[in-house]
Amino acid sequence: QQQVKQSPQSLIVQKGGISIINCAYENTAFDYFPWYQQFPGKGPALLIAIRPDVSEKKEGRFTISFNKSAKQFSLHIMDSQPGDSATYFCAASRGAGGTSYGKLTFGQGTILTVHP
Amino acid sequence: DAGITQSPRHKVTETGTPVTLRCHQTENHRYMYWYRQDPGHGLRLIHYSYGVKDTDKGEVSDGYSVSRSKTEDFLLTLESATSSQTSVYFCAISGQGYGYTFGSGTRLTVV
Repeated sequence: QQQVKQSPQSLIVQKGGISIINCAYENTAFDYFPWYQQFPGKGPALLIAIRPDVSEKKEGRFTISFNKSAKQFSLHIMDSQPGDSATYFCAASRGAGGTSYGKLTFGQGTILTVHP
Repeated sequence: DAGITQSPRHKVTETGTPVTLRCHQTENHRYMYWYRQDPGHGLRLIHYSYGVKDTDKGEVSDGYSVSRSKTEDFLLTLESATSSQTSVYFCAISGQGYGYTFGSGTRLTVV
């Protein structure tokens, strides 16, 4: 079964600190690794994504680090802010979303709380 | 969320009754998905559609059926609701690129 394992389940960080969430996958055919952010009462929203041809992608305070040999990828949130408090999901798929292969498999989610 | 609407937003139903959730999109995307979200399990795929009248099962499809008679509408039916189907249900759409757009979800409680 295609699985994506995410840790930790919950994370508490002080304002200005670094939040780190880790994911590991099994299926080496996966070639698209997005992170989604979800606020209470809302649907998940795409935050940042990476393809396996690069080891790191940065967008503002958010960085994905990707280790293909270890089959792991992580989300780093620099200078964490209270507004970053949300649930974060990693995911993986084989192929683009607009294909029959592009079904996303999600991790279990991490509840991030950033204290002021 | 822009371009995708789920209805109803909340529903309470009794065990054994059929329930239909609706997902409506205005993006003309080919692919539509139904996921359920439960604590500790993340989002799990129930069914998906790759075109009108073309659907397939996901990893947790037992007890659910879907229909897509128009590009814009994807219906999820719980044939005989059970308490284990109490969950938050999300619809998602995707086009030719990467990434999904999710609806705001339907919170379903089966009593």
